[in-house]
Amino acid sequence: AQSVTQLGSHVSVSEGALVLLRCNYSSSVPPYLFWYVQYPNQGLQLLLKYTSAATLVKGINGFEAEFKKSETSFHLTKPSAHMSDAAEYFCAVSGSGGGADGLTFGKGTHLIIQP
Amino acid sequence: NAGVTQTPKFQVLKTGQSMTLQCAQDMNHNSMYWYRQDPGMGLRLIYYSASEGTTDKGEVPNGYNVSRLNKREFSLRLESAAPSQTSVYFCASSVIAGGLREQFFGPGTRLTVL
Repeated sequence: AQSVTQLGSHVSVSEGALVLLRCNYSSSVPPYLFWYVQYPNQGLQLLLKYTSAATLVKGINGFEAEFKKSETSFHLTKPSAHMSDAAEYFCAVSGSGGGADGLTFGKGTHLIIQP
Repeated sequence: NAGVTQTPKFQVLKTGQSMTLQCAQDMNHNSMYWYRQDPGMGLRLIYYSASEGTTDKGEVPNGYNVSRLNKREFSLRLESAAPSQTSVYFCASSVIAGGLREQFFGPGTRLTVL
């Protein structure tokens, strides 16, 4: 069984400030981890994914995430927030990279950008 | 290449009515999924279909049925809608790329049950 915990249902940062969205996972097998972004009234878009090839993963729109096995974490960061980053962010885990049995999502973090 | 499409985009039902949500993908993916999204709950898996001809229950299957009509289409049916089924429903399909299964999502169907 696997689970995902996202700390903070809402995170507010100033434009130009560092963005840090936290994700911790629990998995009985080596995890495959994802971050998705959802803009208002839209579907989910993949930001980045961890495949075990590298612990620091770069994604789209300047986001990156670092996999830390010892902390069971996969936090999402961006050095400088932009107003267009305001959205809902979801961390998700798949217990098997080849398995077809779906993703387990965290409850989401709503990112607010203050001008 | 439209990706994953869903119909309808919006629907209002009365308690006890039935309806089918349609999903289609044109990416030749074997696996397809239905999720529901509720405020503060993230996305939860309702049913999935690993390949044409197979379906399996996810985390929250009660009150739903699915049909994998062919490789492209995967429908979700509510036989007797309840207010607790008010939600946004997302369909997804997946493919293995670089040793990892990646999911692609449709735009969603916003369902209200009165």
